[in-house]
Amino acid sequence: QVQLQESGPGLVKPSETLSLTCTVSGGSVSSGSYYWSWIRQPPGKGLEWIGYIYYSGSTNYNPSLKSRVTISVDTSKNQFSLKLSSVTAADTAVYYCARVFAVAAVFDYWGQGTLVTVSS
Amino acid sequence: DIVMTQTPLSSPVTLGQPASISCRSSQSLVHSDGNTYLSWLQQRPGQPPRLLIYKISNRFSGVPDRFSGSGAGTDFTLKISRVEAEDVGVYYCMQATQFPPTFGQGTKVEIK
Repeated sequence: QVQLQESGPGLVKPSETLSLTCTVSGGSVSSGSYYWSWIRQPPGKGLEWIGYIYYSGSTNYNPSLKSRVTISVDTSKNQFSLKLSSVTAADTAVYYCARVFAVAAVFDYWGQGTLVTVSS
Repeated sequence: DIVMTQTPLSSPVTLGQPASISCRSSQSLVHSDGNTYLSWLQQRPGQPPRLLIYKISNRFSGVPDRFSGSGAGTDFTLKISRVEAEDVGVYYCMQATQFPPTFGQGTKVEIK
């Protein structure tokens, strides 16, 4: 069964860049059947889709975050990554990575999530 | 963006009794390919979201058959036929028909 695991700093200073990596096991980011996505959830609030990447490097980002987001993929490490620049306290959230089964547009497997706090 | 509105926001339920959650979208979720990309997710306390239902009514692998989804167009429903203690959590509907994907605000299911 596929598993996803987020990793990265839990604390980021305002105006700096948040960087997270998602490591995939039990499956390959090079599979043409899936997109690889990031979603976030501010404490006590709902879910917000950030963006996703295809193994080819093709990306789609939420327009609300597009100017600050970069998602990349490293097929050799079976990982994909998120960078969010110029962060503020509003970017404090649990960040999840997830697999998207492209044909059914289904977010079928999720990582456990990692809390990132933006604070000086 | 398509706005997903769930009702109720909180649903106290007696164990063994049914529960129902509604989700309404601000636009039709029927894609030009004829499919409707409406999913339901469950988030237990302290856990990540888990896929329950996709394309309105298809149960994901390992999901108990007490969970069912229905609806069409802009109105959708998740039903739990007999609530069990492990069903406590927040339930989200989600659309992926139109870019960007969006989620409902969540419905909290708790035991009375």
